[in-house]
Amino acid sequence: KQEVTQIPAALSVPEGENLVLNCSFTDSAIYNLQWFRQDPGKGLTSLLLIQSSQREQTSGRLNASLDKSSGRSTLYIAASQPGDSATYLCAVARLGQNFVFGPGTRLSVLP
Amino acid sequence: EPEVTQTPSHQVTQMGQEVILRCVPISNHLYFYWYRQILGQKVEFLVSFYNNEISEKSEIFDDQFSVERPDGSNFTLKIRSTKLEDSAMYFCASSESYAGGYGYTFGSGTRLTVV
Repeated sequence: KQEVTQIPAALSVPEGENLVLNCSFTDSAIYNLQWFRQDPGKGLTSLLLIQSSQREQTSGRLNASLDKSSGRSTLYIAASQPGDSATYLCAVARLGQNFVFGPGTRLSVLP
Repeated sequence: EPEVTQTPSHQVTQMGQEVILRCVPISNHLYFYWYRQILGQKVEFLVSFYNNEISEKSEIFDDQFSVERPDGSNFTLKIRSTKLEDSAMYFCASSESYAGGYGYTFGSGTRLTVV
């Protein structure tokens, strides 16, 4: 059974810092991995999708990498802003199976 | 950008009542899902739906739950007799392919409160 963990559980940084969020999964036979953002009491906004054949994806200040063999993904946020404050979730899926979510990292960026 | 729409955004119901949560997936998507998130906990898979039938369901999705695509646009989740522990945020999602290369698009959720 796939288990997804995320470290750290919470992170508080001053504005402008570069930061790294970590996601680990136990079954490396994944088909893709998706990073989401969740604002308090709100829905899930897709940030980046990495297919198993890819090593990384970039969107603006966000960069996500995937190392299937070690069961890890990182989300790198450059030059953090207060508007980046949210919970960041990673989710992984095997081909033909549903996504399994991690517990999230709660990020606070202080002005 | 295409969106998944969920209604209502918040529903309060009495224990034992039936509720129907509604979703309008993205029009060209073929796979539909319901997930839920109990406050402070992980997002959990409930059910996936394709070609008018359930593809996969979790152990959470017991006989109290059912899904339906009553027409070409709506996708519903029904809880027949709600319990206090059904209080959660329920998310609908859709995708072009099953856990495939395009990932999921989620709706903004329905917060269900059972009192």
